[in-house]
Amino acid sequence: GNSVTQMEGPVTLSEEAFLTINCTYTATGYPSLFWYVQYPGEGLQLLLKATKADDKGSNKGFEATYRKETTSFHLEKGSVQVSDSAVYFCAPGGGATNKLIFGTGTLLAVQP
Amino acid sequence: DTGVSQNPRHKITKRGQNVTFRCDPISEHNRLYWYRQTLGQGPEFLTYFQNEAQLEKSRLLSDRFSAERPKGSFSTLEIQRTEQGDSAMYLCASSFSESYEQYFGPGTRLTVT
Repeated sequence: GNSVTQMEGPVTLSEEAFLTINCTYTATGYPSLFWYVQYPGEGLQLLLKATKADDKGSNKGFEATYRKETTSFHLEKGSVQVSDSAVYFCAPGGGATNKLIFGTGTLLAVQP
Repeated sequence: DTGVSQNPRHKITKRGQNVTFRCDPISEHNRLYWYRQTLGQGPEFLTYFQNEAQLEKSRLLSDRFSAERPKGSFSTLEIQRTEQGDSAMYLCASSFSESYEQYFGPGTRLTVT
C-alpha cells in the first residue's frame, strides 16, 4: 500500500525565512498528492494538490511539485509569516477509493 | 456551503459504554470517509462510503466499530464497548467522485475514562 515519510519537526523559522518541508512517498501507480494544514485548534484544511507528474500545486504562497522520478512532493514557501505556524501533513491518495495516507505531520513555528 | 459538520464535537464516556458519532458531508458529495487521529500523529483511514455503499474498511476497524450511511447523505460511526485505546479524534471527510480533494469536518474528540 501507499506510505509517506515527512521530515520531522518542529521546524522553527524567523518571519520572512524560506521554508522547505520534505515529503517522499511510496505508492502503487501514480497517486494524487496533497498537502493539508492544521492550524492550532482547527480542523484539517486542504492547502494544495497535484494530480500527475510534474504538476505544481500552489496556494497562499506555498508550492509543491509532483516529482515522479524521486517520488517526492516537497512543500516550499519563499517567505513565511507568523500566521503560517501550524502542522503540515503530506498525503498521497489513490486507488479506487482515493483514501489518504498521512505522514506524521511537521510542526512549523514561525517567530516574529 | 456549510462544509462538513460533525456531532458531537466532544464526547467523554466510561469504558464499556457505546458511543455514536454523526457526520453530515457537503451536500452532493457522494464520497464519505472516516479517519482517526491520535495525539501527535497523522489521521489514519478507517472506512469509505460511495453513496450508501461501504466499499472499504481498514484492518484498524475492529468488530466493535460499525459505520453506516443509510441514504447516501449523513453517516454514523458507532463504537461498542469502548476501550481507553479508542480515545482519539474521529474525523469525517467528503468529496465528489470526479474530484480528488477531500474536505474535512472539525472532528469529534472522544475521551474514554
